[in-house]
Amino acid sequence: DTAVSQTPKYLVTQMGNDKSIKCEQNLGHDTMYWYKQDSKKFLKIMFSYNNKELIINETVPNRFSPKSPDKAHLNLHINSLELGDSAVYFCASSAGRIANYGYTFGSGTRLTVV
Amino acid sequence: QKEVEQNSGPLSVPEGAIASLNCTYSDRGSQSFFWYRQYSGKSPELIMFIYSNGDKEDGRFTAQLNKASQYVSLLIRDSQPSDSATYLCAVNGLGGSYIPTFGRGTSLIVHP
Repeated sequence: DTAVSQTPKYLVTQMGNDKSIKCEQNLGHDTMYWYKQDSKKFLKIMFSYNNKELIINETVPNRFSPKSPDKAHLNLHINSLELGDSAVYFCASSAGRIANYGYTFGSGTRLTVV
Repeated sequence: QKEVEQNSGPLSVPEGAIASLNCTYSDRGSQSFFWYRQYSGKSPELIMFIYSNGDKEDGRFTAQLNKASQYVSLLIRDSQPSDSATYLCAVNGLGGSYIPTFGRGTSLIVHP
């Protein structure tokens, strides 16, 4: 059983398009996250949801919009894609807002904007 | 400024040796510390977490925390080629934030 699953695994799209990434976790965790990992491997928090409530919204262009229909799902919609959006996007989950026991990451979505 | 610093490497060690990975952080009030392993093209995987000063051992891995000096280390004993990966340090509580701040990772190469 996959604990945190993301789809799609790869996404190649043209500039200006709109795309979505989906994430689901079956761990019973109540907090989920979106992270962006750039080409230099730096992991940067984008958003965090706790029980469907947005609790972290870092400085991210408003072309990025997260949505959590329930605590097991967190999706990321990106409008008007730009070249600089190319990166690997990781979904993660944790038990509790403070993540004292660390994260479980999904397998990642490699987004390439051409 | 919330910072977690790691030497990017690569750190190259022979098989069977001890690999020592270091991480420093900027906020003395930080509370919890994590080591993740990331194989190329894969997602980060939690190896260990530590909260208290001193050592914490799990199999071949030992995390060492020194809050006064603001550093946390990961020792890998009897290193194997399968340990070759990037090791990410993450620190919770930097600047009062409960979202972990990640370092940029250290690349470890274990050669036969």
